[in-house]
Amino acid sequence: NAGVTQTPKFQVLKTGQSMTLQCAQDMNHNSMYWYRQDPGMGLRLIYYSASEGTTDKGEVPNGYNVSRLNKREFSLRLESAAPSQTSVYFCASSEFGGYTFGSGTRLTVV
Amino acid sequence: GENVEQHPSTLSVQEGDSAVIKCTYSDSASNYFPWYKQELGKRPQLIIDIRSNVGEKKDQRIAVTLNKTAKHFSLHITETQPEDSAVYFCAAPGGTSYGKLTFGQGTILTVHP
Repeated sequence: NAGVTQTPKFQVLKTGQSMTLQCAQDMNHNSMYWYRQDPGMGLRLIYYSASEGTTDKGEVPNGYNVSRLNKREFSLRLESAAPSQTSVYFCASSEFGGYTFGSGTRLTVV
Repeated sequence: GENVEQHPSTLSVQEGDSAVIKCTYSDSASNYFPWYKQELGKRPQLIIDIRSNVGEKKDQRIAVTLNKTAKHFSLHITETQPEDSAVYFCAAPGGTSYGKLTFGQGTILTVHP
């Protein structure tokens, strides 16, 4: 039982490049989330998906897009990376309660 | 949306002492209050949670209390150990949904041997 799997673990991008962060869960959870974590600012919600086929914006959605590919997978795309998107990104899933987080992606945009 | 304030931002205690972290929330409809522990370089992990129909919950050395009237909830760690050193986050969902958590800014707890 892997829980929530995120790839990649580390990534360095140049300004303007694009990339997709992948997330998959094997717990049959309906809800999935993408958060970013910056020093002193806690975890801020980027996008979430309450169920397969639905996605909604969170607190900080600008510069990001998401796809809920199926019940297991929820990807986050940066179309044109900016230095302000340097952060640690966490995917999470839940079913009526606490989240299970993935191991995170440390992204640096130079 | 929900707004969660967490205090203190840093907390330093001696091994064996107790530690208390407090969070306040803004949406009176919030009904689920989890606490997460994040060790350096690791993912946040759920350590305890409480639902709005109870006022206190304990699990060994940790406990959470909830005051719905005042809209605050607290994490209590007794007999602290060096391995309790980590960043702790509280969260609340807003509305009546269990999903879409808003997190506090985190508390860095350091337990000195």
